Amino acid sequence: EAGVAQSPRYKIIEKRQSVAFWCNPISGHATLYWYQQILGQGPKLLIQFQNNGVVDDSQLPKDRFSAERLKGVDSTLKIQPAKLEDSAVYLCASSLEAAALNEQFFGPGTRLTVL
Amino acid sequence: QKEVEQNSGPLSVPEGAIASLNCTYSDRGSQSFFWYRQYSGKSPELIMFIYSNGDKEDGRFTAQLNKASQYVSLLIRDSQPSDSATYLCAVSGGGSYIPTFGRGTSLIVHP
Repeated sequence: EAGVAQSPRYKIIEKRQSVAFWCNPISGHATLYWYQQILGQGPKLLIQFQNNGVVDDSQLPKDRFSAERLKGVDSTLKIQPAKLEDSAVYLCASSLEAAALNEQFFGPGTRLTVL
Repeated sequence: QKEVEQNSGPLSVPEGAIASLNCTYSDRGSQSFFWYRQYSGKSPELIMFIYSNGDKEDGRFTAQLNKASQYVSLLIRDSQPSDSATYLCAVSGGGSYIPTFGRGTSLIVHP
């Protein structure tokens, strides 16, 4: 079974530029999560999708971050414009359903550096 | 705002010893508790989960939950250098499946 795929693995941009990350979850997983992990901290949930609907986006800075999962499969997370404090690893994870956190699998992450 | 607290460490133990990692949480309604292992530069990997008070054992790992004290711990028996990693505690429940992570405890197992 293939795992959660993410791209790119690394991205370096200057502040005020835009960036987009892509995630393809494990086949059949209805729930998809985007986390932000700043160095030295635990992952912070940005947004959770159930199929193509948003379950929770309360911690997503909506003035600059957006995410979509149009067909209920893969997802993109965008930052526009980026700030220095957005430097972090962006982790995508998926699970069969929202309640199945015991079966949540993480992708390799995208390390973003904002200069 | 749900909070999950962990000592950032590092916790240093000799090979073969028992490593004890601790976590406290603020939401008394929390129902599900998870421990993840994260190697440097890698993504988190789930190693244990527990839902009921008491102990749950899986190989060298034991998770302990005390809901009255809002405390969950992870014991690693016969610690190996390959166990050196950051251990993240995560909590969910109280009407939401949204997980809240602690900042993690760095464990170093030295030969």
